[in-house]
Amino acid sequence: NAGVMQNPRHLVRRRGQEARLRCSPVKGHSHVYWYRQLPEEGLKFMVYLQKENIIDESGMPKERFSAEFPKEGPSILRIQQVVRGDSAAYFCASSPSDTRAQHFGDGTRLSIL
Amino acid sequence: KQEVTQIPAALSVPEGENLVLNCSFTDSAIYNLQWFRQDPGKGLTSLLLIQSSQREQTSGRLNASLDKSSGRSTLYIAASQPGDSATYLCAVLGGGADGLTFGKGTHLIIQP
Repeated sequence: NAGVMQNPRHLVRRRGQEARLRCSPVKGHSHVYWYRQLPEEGLKFMVYLQKENIIDESGMPKERFSAEFPKEGPSILRIQQVVRGDSAAYFCASSPSDTRAQHFGDGTRLSIL
Repeated sequence: KQEVTQIPAALSVPEGENLVLNCSFTDSAIYNLQWFRQDPGKGLTSLLLIQSSQREQTSGRLNASLDKSSGRSTLYIAASQPGDSATYLCAVLGGGADGLTFGKGTHLIIQP
C-alpha cells in the first residue's frame, strides 16, 4: 500500500505568485491534516479536512491560505500571493479516523525568492 | 491551549547505551500520543502510538510509556545504534486541538 504522497517535493516561487501543494492520503483514509514546519521551529497544525468538508482551520492564517479535499482527487493547500515568510516545509498526514494514528508524507519544501 | 515540551533538546551518547527521552504536555484530556522520528530533510516516521487508555507500547528496541494524569511520556531506546541518530518528536492529539500538537523534538546523536 502506498503511503501519503505529496507533490511536488520542492517548490520555488517568486513573491506574489501562487503555490499549490498536493496530498494524496493513504488509500481508505478519509481524514487529512496539513502541518507547517518553519525553519528552527516545531511542526504546527494548520487545517483538518474530511472529504468535501473543512473540520478545523484554526491553525491556518486568515488570509492567502486555503485548503480543500474534494470528493475525487488529492487534497490541495493553496497559498496566494506568497511572501518570504511562507518559506517552510509543509507536511500532510492522513488517518482512517479522527483518533487513530496519523501517517505523514515526505513534505513539500517551499522556497520563496 | 495544549503545549508539549521535550527534554533534552539535544543528546549525544556512545553506541550501545540505553537512553530515555522525555515529553510533557499541559492538558491531560488527550486521545492519544505519538512518537515520531524525523531524519534531516525528510518526513516523519511514526514509531509508536499510545491511546489514552494505555500505559505503554513496545516495538523492537523502543518502549514508550504514558502517564496521562501527570502529563508525561517517555521513549526508551535500548542498545542504541548509530542508525538511531535523528530528531525524535512527541505529539499529542486532544486538549483543544483537532490536529496534533508537537514538541520541538530531541536531536539525538549516537556516536559509533
